[in-house]
Amino acid sequence: GENVEQHPSTLSVQEGDSAVIKCTYSDSASNYFPWYKQELGKRPQLIIDIRSNVGEKKDQRIAVTLNKTAKHFSLHITETQPEDSAVYFCAAVIGDYKLSFGAGTTVTVRA
Amino acid sequence: GAVVSQHPSWVICKSGTSVKIECRSLDFQATTMFWYRQFPKQSLMLMATSNEGSKATYEQGVEKDKFLINHASLTLSTLTVTSAHPEDSSFYICSAHAGTGNNEKLFFGSGTQLSVL
Repeated sequence: GENVEQHPSTLSVQEGDSAVIKCTYSDSASNYFPWYKQELGKRPQLIIDIRSNVGEKKDQRIAVTLNKTAKHFSLHITETQPEDSAVYFCAAVIGDYKLSFGAGTTVTVRA
Repeated sequence: GAVVSQHPSWVICKSGTSVKIECRSLDFQATTMFWYRQFPKQSLMLMATSNEGSKATYEQGVEKDKFLINHASLTLSTLTVTSAHPEDSSFYICSAHAGTGNNEKLFFGSGTQLSVL
């Protein structure tokens, strides 16, 4: 099955700085890569996603890049704000929407 | 986006009892739903794929007789934790995908925090 690795496990940034989270996947057949933000005790919220036919996607302060050859994808958050503090999960999907999640990154934005 | 409703949001039960969790797609039909569990400070682990009108597909290591899944309609899947024990205490969350083509996305229910005493 698919194996997704996520780094770092924790990330502390100063407000206004950028945060980058990186994930790698093992199965070259994976074709959909969503990123989720989860606050304590709440459901994961989709923040951005990218499909395998696209190399980069941006939505305001959030961007995702995908390198299919290297089988890695990254989340970039610019101009971080305290409300960006949460756990972020990357995931990879093959075909039927069975998500394989990364281990998660706890992001702390220091005011 | 599409709405997935999950109930209850939290439940406390005694060891040995069974607990049923419901997952509903409110504004779309879901032929497939997924059930995950999440331990504190860990990632989400897929337990099973719930298929409308047929048996669920369980991931390796998940006991199908302990975690009963029923997907009786296109908008409802239920997960029953049978003879619950303290080690079953966890956050259980369902998901369903909606949309078509490049607009197809996965939406999560609000989750159920199960505590077994």
